[in-house]
Amino acid sequence: EVQLLESGGGLVPPGGSLRLSCAASGFGFSDYAMTWVRQAPGKGLEWVSDISGSGTTTYYTDSVKGRFSISRDNSKNTLFLQMSSLRAEDTAVYFCARADWGQFHYWGQGTLVTVSS
Amino acid sequence: QSALTQPRSVSGSPGQSVTISCTGTSSDVGGSNYVSWYRQQPGKAPNLMIYDVNKRPSGVPDRFFASKSGITASLTISGLQVEDEADYYCCSYAARYTYVVFGGGTRLTVL
Repeated sequence: EVQLLESGGGLVPPGGSLRLSCAASGFGFSDYAMTWVRQAPGKGLEWVSDISGSGTTTYYTDSVKGRFSISRDNSKNTLFLQMSSLRAEDTAVYFCARADWGQFHYWGQGTLVTVSS
Repeated sequence: QSALTQPRSVSGSPGQSVTISCTGTSSDVGGSNYVSWYRQQPGKAPNLMIYDVNKRPSGVPDRFFASKSGITASLTISGLQVEDEADYYCCSYAARYTYVVFGGGTRLTVL
C-alpha cells in the first residue's frame, strides 16, 4: 500500500525558514518523480514544485523560485521542501504527492504551514 | 502560470448529470495529453478521479466521464449521488510550457 506522510509544518514568522518532509512507503521511491502541492485556507490547489526520481531535475512555480528548494533522499525514501524567506501568502496546507507525468495518484494527508508574527 | 478556468459552482439533483468545464490555453490543456481531475472532500487530501484526459483509476465508477476538445476539458458526473458533493479540480501537465497548473476548483452541490 502506497503511503505518504508529511511532517514539519508549524508556525513561523515572516522571513523565517522551515523544512517539510514526506516519508514514502509502498512503492519504488526512486522510480517516481515527487511533487509538493499547497492549498491556502479556503482556496484552491496550487502546484509548488516537482523533482525527478533521481533528484537531478527540479521545477518550481514562479512565486517560490529562489526561496524554496525541493530535494530527496532516495536511500531514506524521503522528500523534502526547504522553505526560506517565508511570506504570509505561503500560509497553506502542503501536500506531497507521487507524480506520474504531472498527475497525482497518491497524496499525503498534508501539513499546515502558518506564516505569521 | 495562470490557473485553468473552472466554474465556481455547479449543482444538480440526485440522479441527474452535471458537467464541469476546465478551460486553459494551447500551452496547457490544449497541448497536453495529461489532463487530470481530482475530488476533494472538506479537510481531506484530493483524490484522483481521472487521468490521461479520460482514464479512470481502479475504484472510480463509470459515472465519471471526461473528455477534451481544444483548450477545454470536461468532467461529466452522471447519476449524481449525495456523496459526490465536493470540490473538483482539473489539472494540466505540459512540460514544455507551464509544467503543472490546476484549475481554480468547482464546488459541486447535490441538492
